[in-house]
Amino acid sequence: DAGVIQSPRHEVTEMGQEVTLRCKPISGHDYLFWYRQTMMRGLELLIYFNNNVPIDDSGMPEDRFSAKMPNASFSTLKIQPSEPRDSAVYFCATGLAGAWRRETQYFGPGTRLLVL
Amino acid sequence: RKEVEQDPGPFNVPEGATVAFNCTYSNSASQSFFWYRQDCRKEPKLLMSVYSSGNEDGRFTAQLNRASQYISLLIRDSKLSDSATYLCVVQRGDYKLSFGAGTTVTVRA
Repeated sequence: DAGVIQSPRHEVTEMGQEVTLRCKPISGHDYLFWYRQTMMRGLELLIYFNNNVPIDDSGMPEDRFSAKMPNASFSTLKIQPSEPRDSAVYFCATGLAGAWRRETQYFGPGTRLLVL
Repeated sequence: RKEVEQDPGPFNVPEGATVAFNCTYSNSASQSFFWYRQDCRKEPKLLMSVYSSGNEDGRFTAQLNRASQYISLLIRDSKLSDSATYLCVVQRGDYKLSFGAGTTVTVRA
């Protein structure tokens, strides 16, 4: 299994530009999570999906952030317009429902975003 | 108050030593507990779940104290490869995980 795939792995952009982060979940996983990690705030959940439907987006910091999951094998997190304080590592994680598997989340390698 | 609080460390220990650290959680309704490991510039990975009766996985022992709302991790016979940040993770009734800021462990030769 290839694991969770994220792209790009690194992104450097200028303030005001649109940034799109991509995630391909592990095949068959029905939960998908977007996290952000910074030194100051640690690992924060932004939004999660179940069967492609957004369940909880209460962690999305502002309207500048949006996430979609058009099908079971692809999700995007978009920041428009980007700001320097958005600089962080963005992780996508996926998991399976079911009593004995529900707690394990598998993380992708992350996208390191730097907004200048 | 943060939902999960950890001593950030760092804990610097020699190879072969035992190291232990705790985390506390604020939500008494939390149902599931875990330790994740994160290597430098890598993604978090599940190390082990934490069960009410305590559990071991090789050199790693996890304990849960629901009354005091804390979780512990003990590493015996530390290896250089154990150097990492250990994230305490708590799950409520939904599928959301809350992560602590992590405890850094450095094992020296």
